[in-house]
Amino acid sequence: DQQVKQNSPSLSVQEGRISILNCDYTNSMFDYFLWYKKYPAEGPTFLISISSIKDKNEDGRFTVFLNKSAKHLSLHIVPSQPGDSAVYFCAASEYSGGGADGLTFGKGTHLIIQP
Amino acid sequence: EAQVTQNPRYLITVTGKKLTVTCSQNMNHEYMSWYRQDPGLGLRQIYYSMNVEVTDKGDVPEGYKVSRKEKRNFPLILESPSPNQTSLYFCASTPGGWTSPNEQFFGPGTRLTVL
Repeated sequence: DQQVKQNSPSLSVQEGRISILNCDYTNSMFDYFLWYKKYPAEGPTFLISISSIKDKNEDGRFTVFLNKSAKHLSLHIVPSQPGDSAVYFCAASEYSGGGADGLTFGKGTHLIIQP
Repeated sequence: EAQVTQNPRYLITVTGKKLTVTCSQNMNHEYMSWYRQDPGLGLRQIYYSMNVEVTDKGDVPEGYKVSRKEKRNFPLILESPSPNQTSLYFCASTPGGWTSPNEQFFGPGTRLTVL
């Protein structure tokens, strides 16, 4: 059973517009959520995270929104830039610490920024 | 430079020939993990380690072994590789502990093909 779902395998957005990537989860014990970005031939890199005690976290052009009642989170990128073209993974954890055993990943969404 | 390194980056082998993929981190992180990435399946955890001599199974441990004899190294061992282990493998580390967010640092990946 997939506990973290990214239902859009790919998303195409025009440069300068907003990119919205969605993620749903089923495990109500998850209380920490992360987004990773992955370029081809590289490992994923951490982008932004949010704790379940918040509903929004912002870092520059990136904002993550969390709706706990809907078990849904989204990543907004404004404005979208060509360098944002990558695969984005949503991940969730039952702990804000605790380390290696806690992350469950979604399947990823391939974001393509069109010039 | 803080990093996670993996070797080799690319490997083609034959069924049944034992192989080891090395992983090393220079950040003094307590926690390390191995993941595999397959098309349409996202990242799935194979094994993790919370400290030296402490390892545990992730979601897909069958056919793999690990060891953690030193804090910085976490090799992945395939005793008898099979074609269904053809995949992209990532090693990751995280500081661990309840004050550290569960943000994992990934290596560049190892592309393994088992013929």
